[in-house]
Order: sequence, then structure tokens, then C-alpha cells
Amino acid sequence: EAGVAQSPRYKIIEKRQSVAFWCNPISGHATLYWYQQILGQGPKLLIQFQNNGVVDDSQLPKDRFSAERLKGVDSTLKIQPAKLEDSAVYLCASSKNPGLAGGSREQYFGPGTRLTVT
Amino acid sequence: SQQGEEDPQALSIQEGENATMNCSYKTSINNLQWYRQNSGRGLVHLILIRSNEREKHSGRLRVTLDTSKKSSSLLITASRAADTASYFCATFPIDTGRRALTFGSGTRLQVQP
Repeated sequence: EAGVAQSPRYKIIEKRQSVAFWCNPISGHATLYWYQQILGQGPKLLIQFQNNGVVDDSQLPKDRFSAERLKGVDSTLKIQPAKLEDSAVYLCASSKNPGLAGGSREQYFGPGTRLTVT
Repeated sequence: SQQGEEDPQALSIQEGENATMNCSYKTSINNLQWYRQNSGRGLVHLILIRSNEREKHSGRLRVTLDTSKKSSSLLITASRAADTASYFCATFPIDTGRRALTFGSGTRLQVQP
């Protein structure tokens, strides 16, 4: 099966500019995640969608970050305006619906978008 | 410290040796997962162990979970140069109100040929 697709792979912008990332999850995966991974750290969840509804966005800086998942498939993550500290790899992941126990299943990650803010 | 902290932060071994990485966490969990990340293949799921399981195997990987100590270990046996990567544990807590995995900061493993 095709994996999680992301674009672009690399992006360089100046601070205060805006940027958007796109993600196409694995077909049939209801849950979609956006993570931010700063160099040397583990991924940090920004937002989690179940179909097209938001499950968790508690760590999303809502003054500058926004995300949507139209029709419960593709998703876009936007940053406006960007700051220097937004330089990171932005990872998209997807998973099947949680099991009966409610716990998170394994997640499948895309290749990520490396963002550099200058 | 963060939920899901790996130890050591970095590990260098020779090919053929075993590599052991540890993960400690703070809250009660539904499950714990281990992921590998290298530049070639991105972040890849390795193994999931549920809170009612104590040990799980997958090929050369062995994962243990001790919920009383809130810790897990990942053992890679007979390591290969291709195992060079960063390894992350990720926990799914059940008493924080959040329904999301929390990743640690990872162990960087270098396997010398």
C-alpha cells in the first residue's frame, strides 16, 4: 500500500512569512497527526484529527498555526507568520481507528517537511 | 522530565553486539511503542507492547515492560550497521485526558562495522 505522502520536502522562508504543508494519509486511515520535530528531540504532537474532527490540539500554537482536514482525507498545516523557532521537521502520520481498548494503534509516518526560517 | 525518557542518549557499539535502550515514563499507560528514525526511511514503527504484557519479540527485537517501575527496554540482538538510527519510545497515557502518543527525546545508536 502507498505510504503517507507529504509535500514539500524542504522549505526555506524568512521570518514573518507564511508557509503551508500538505499531507495525504494512507487510504482508509481515519486518524491523522501533525508533529513538530526540532533537531535532537522527539516528535511533538501539534494536532490530531479523527476523520475531519479535531481530537487534540492542546499543543498547537493557535495564534500562528492552523490545520484543517477537509473531507476527512488530506490535511494542510499552515504557519502564519513564521518565527525563527519554527525551524523544524514537520511530520504527518496516520493510523487506523483506535482498537476496542481505546489505545493508540501504530502510526505510519510520512517523510516530513524540513522547514528553515531565516 | 518528559513522559517517555530514553536512556542512554547515545550508544556506540560494534556490529554483532547487543544494544539495550531504556525508557522511563511517569503516568499510567495503555500501551508503549518503539519507533526508529534514520535519514533514509524516516520514522518507522517497530513494536507495540500493551500494559498487560511483560515481554514481546519481533525478529531481533525484544521489548520488556515493567508497569510497576514505569519503564521499558528495547534490546536489539546481533546488531548490524543498518541498525544505526535514533530510537524513540512513545507512550499512550490513560489518566491525563489526552488521547495522543507522547514521544521521548530518543537514543542515538551507532553500530560500527
